[in-house]
Amino acid sequence: ETGVTQSPTHLIKTRGQQVTLRCSSQSGHNTVSWYQQALGQGPQFIFQYYREEENGRGNFPPRFSGLQFPNYSSELNVNALELDDSALYLCASSLASGGAGELFFGEGSRLTVL
Amino acid sequence: AQSVTQPDIHITVSEGASLELRCNYSYGATPYLFWYVQSPGQGLQLLLKYFSGDTLVQGIKGFEAEFKRSQSSFNLRKPSVHWSDAAEYFCAGGNTGGFKTIFGAGTRLFVKA
Repeated sequence: ETGVTQSPTHLIKTRGQQVTLRCSSQSGHNTVSWYQQALGQGPQFIFQYYREEENGRGNFPPRFSGLQFPNYSSELNVNALELDDSALYLCASSLASGGAGELFFGEGSRLTVL
Repeated sequence: AQSVTQPDIHITVSEGASLELRCNYSYGATPYLFWYVQSPGQGLQLLLKYFSGDTLVQGIKGFEAEFKRSQSSFNLRKPSVHWSDAAEYFCAGGNTGGFKTIFGAGTRLFVKA
C-alpha cells in the first residue's frame, strides 16, 4: 500500500510568484485535504476535495486554489505569494469526506517566500 | 464556533515518568476526536481516535486517551515515556456534518534522561 507522497519537499520562491504543490493520495482514498502549518502552529485547513470537486474551504483567500484529478491525486496552487505564505503545506488523504475520518498525511512541502 | 485547545505549549518529562497532555474541545455535539504525533520534519501520524462508545481509547505506541464529556476534554496519557516519544502532539476534532478536521496548536514534548 503506497502512502501519501508530496512534491517538492522544499522550495524557495519570491514574493509575487506562483507555486504549485502536488500530492498523491493513499491507494483507495478519494478525499484529499490540504493544510497550512506555520512554524510553531497547528495545521490550518485550506480546503478539501472529494471526487474531483471542492468539498469545503477554510479561511484562505481565493489565490489559494486546488485541483483533484481522476486518480485522486491533487494540486495546491498559490498565486501572488506573500511572505506570510511561508509554511509547511500538508496533504492528507482519507476514505471519508468530511471531518469524521482518519487523515493520512504526507511529509509536506516546505515553502519559503523571500 | 468549533475549536480545539491545547493549553500547554510545551512539556518536559523525565524518561520513564508518566505523561498527560491536555486537550479541550468546543463543539455543538460530541465530535470525533483524534490525537496525532509529528516528529521533526515529518507529517502527522494518528495515535488514536474516539468516535463513540468506551470513553477510554487505546492507541499505538502505548498511548491512551480518555474522553470526558462533562469537562469537554480528551487528554492523552502514557504511563512511561521513552526518549523516542519526544515530538509535537496535536489534538484534533471533526464531525460528520462538517468537512474539516480542526487541529489544536500542539504541545511539544521534551524527554530528559
